Order: sequence, then C-alpha cells, then structure tokens
Amino acid sequence: QSALTQEASVSGTVGQKVTLSCTGNNNNIGTYPVGWYQQISHGAPKTVMIGNSLPSGIPDRFSGSKSGTTASLTISGLHPEDEADYYCSSWDYSLNVYVFGTGTKVTVL
Amino acid sequence: QVQLQQWGAGLLKPSETLSLTCAVYGGSFSGSYWNWIRQTPGEGLEWIGKTDQSGFTKYNPSLKSRVTISLDRSNNRFSLKLTSVTAADTAVYYCASATDLRWPFDPWGQGTQVTVSS
Repeated sequence: QSALTQEASVSGTVGQKVTLSCTGNNNNIGTYPVGWYQQISHGAPKTVMIGNSLPSGIPDRFSGSKSGTTASLTISGLHPEDEADYYCSSWDYSLNVYVFGTGTKVTVL
Repeated sequence: QVQLQQWGAGLLKPSETLSLTCAVYGGSFSGSYWNWIRQTPGEGLEWIGKTDQSGFTKYNPSLKSRVTISLDRSNNRFSLKLTSVTAADTAVYYCASATDLRWPFDPWGQGTQVTVSS
C-alpha cells in the first residue's frame, strides 16, 4: 500500500541543501499532516518532522512544508550523519490506513 | 518525553500466533494513540493498527481478520497479536505513538525482528 511517491535517491555534499518530496493525493497529504522519518542503517525510524514542526531534539536544519498534495522535507546544510533513508507518511481517509512512501536514500558525498 | 520499549518472540512457525508488547515510559498513557507498524524489505512500511486508552481500536483492513491490539492500563503497555502467521508476516515490527487520531508517529519503539519459518 505505498500510496505516497518519493524519489529513490538524493545526494549532496556536506553543507549543501537538499529537498525530498512526497506526493500523494487529496485523500491523504492534501488533508492530513505528513510525518517524516529517518532510518539509519536499518535501525528504528526516528521522527524528524511532523507537518512543519520539529520534534524535540531534531536540529533546525530540518524543515518541512506542504503544497497541495506534495510535502517536502528540506535539509539545509547536510551533515554526514544525515545519510539515511527517509520515509513520509500520512493518514488516508479513503483507504482508512496510514500510508507510507517507499523511501528516499540520502547520500552525503 | 515518552519512550517506547517493545519485546516478544522473534521466531515463529507457520500458523502460530505472533505476540508483541510495547511499554510506555515517561509520559501519560491517556490522550495518545498507540500503533503497531511493520517493515519488510519488499513491501516497505505497513501500518497494522492502533488503540487508545478507552480501548478504541482501528485495524488495517488487509490484516483485520487476524489482528488484535489490546491495552494493559495498569502497566502502561499495549500488545499486538497476529494469528495464523505465514512467511509473509516475516518483518520488523515497531510500536509507535501518535498524539491525535490521524497524526504522524512519534516516538517509535526499537523494533522486533519476527521471522516465520518451519
């Protein structure tokens, strides 16, 4: 049930700004807040963004936004420790489930 | 700051029942929704279901016939049972919290690898 579309991979150098996108429809992203989750080396996901709010302890180089049915996660100034898989998720009122994206692998060159 | 710690059996035979528990530390059990999510290399992340302090439950329709999520209010824990497991249920299972009914998850438990094999 991967109803959300994400880029397979994004890369950047240390200090560079990168933006990840997550595209859904009006049943999910167009209506509900999006969560962004960082997963490092197949460890447990860690929440880095809820809507456009930073959870406690997440550095402010992470920011979130949404336009219509597409959400974005921006990392302003990549750090080596940001290398991870990033997943987005939102509730879908048509499917009555949370839906997830397939994930974007962020590589720090 | 809420923290979740989970445990349960990691190796099952086909047709057995998967049973996992997640303990909630450092925060109130009320006012939040308690979820189970699983992850496989092939299918990615899949939401299994959720409950709240009142015992309200909501399940993924694809798993609904086999899933039960329950509460242990006295110990601030919630549990997942999945019956009649097959190899397709092999996954890493996570518990996670959400502060509202359709809100994103935060935080997550550490994950439990469950393997179904004869």
